[in-house]
Amino acid sequence: GNSVTQMEGPVTLSEEAFLTINCTYTATGYPSLFWYVQYPGEGLQLLLKATKADDKGSNKGFEATYRKETTSFHLEKGSVQVSDSAVYFCALRVQGAQKLVFGQGTRLTINP
Amino acid sequence: SAVISQKPSRDICQRGTSLTIQCQVDSQVTMMFWYRQQPGQSLTLIATANQGSEATYESGFVIDKFPISRPNLTFSTLTVSNMSPEDSSIYLCSAELPNYGYTFGSGTRLTVV
Repeated sequence: GNSVTQMEGPVTLSEEAFLTINCTYTATGYPSLFWYVQYPGEGLQLLLKATKADDKGSNKGFEATYRKETTSFHLEKGSVQVSDSAVYFCALRVQGAQKLVFGQGTRLTINP
Repeated sequence: SAVISQKPSRDICQRGTSLTIQCQVDSQVTMMFWYRQQPGQSLTLIATANQGSEATYESGFVIDKFPISRPNLTFSTLTVSNMSPEDSSIYLCSAELPNYGYTFGSGTRLTVV
């Protein structure tokens, strides 16, 4: 079946550190891939997406590249800020389907 | 910007009662989705709501427990029936909006006591 596996959390970093949150997937066909962010007490917001192999999604300094050969969509940011503290979810949507399949989420805490 | 509004934003309910959550989208959409996020967990799809037909439920979720209405292309409700403490979760509605993609409401934080 279709599934998403994320890096185990929680992750704690210092401000200005480099961030990587790993995400790998299993899916039929060619899924679209997404990263969502959930700030404390809020709903989910789309952070970035990629719809085909080798696409790079980017937003707010975050980047992720759709790697079909490794079935991965790792999230990176060169210099994190305290305001990036949140839970990050990797998700996929299988081609032709409507629903999203989510990973388990990774809680990120950035200390000043 | 496109908006999905949910209400209530939070509620504390007695076990055995029911709560209806409303979701309003500011554009017409074919499908709306209801998710549950249990404490510290990821999102699990409860059901997909199409206008004019019965909702399609995922494995482990049944209509008697989570009845859904979809009276028009911009509105849906989810009812959590005969609640128990295990139903304490965040419930989120979502839809795929033109030019915005897959968008979520801000969620309803339910506590059952």
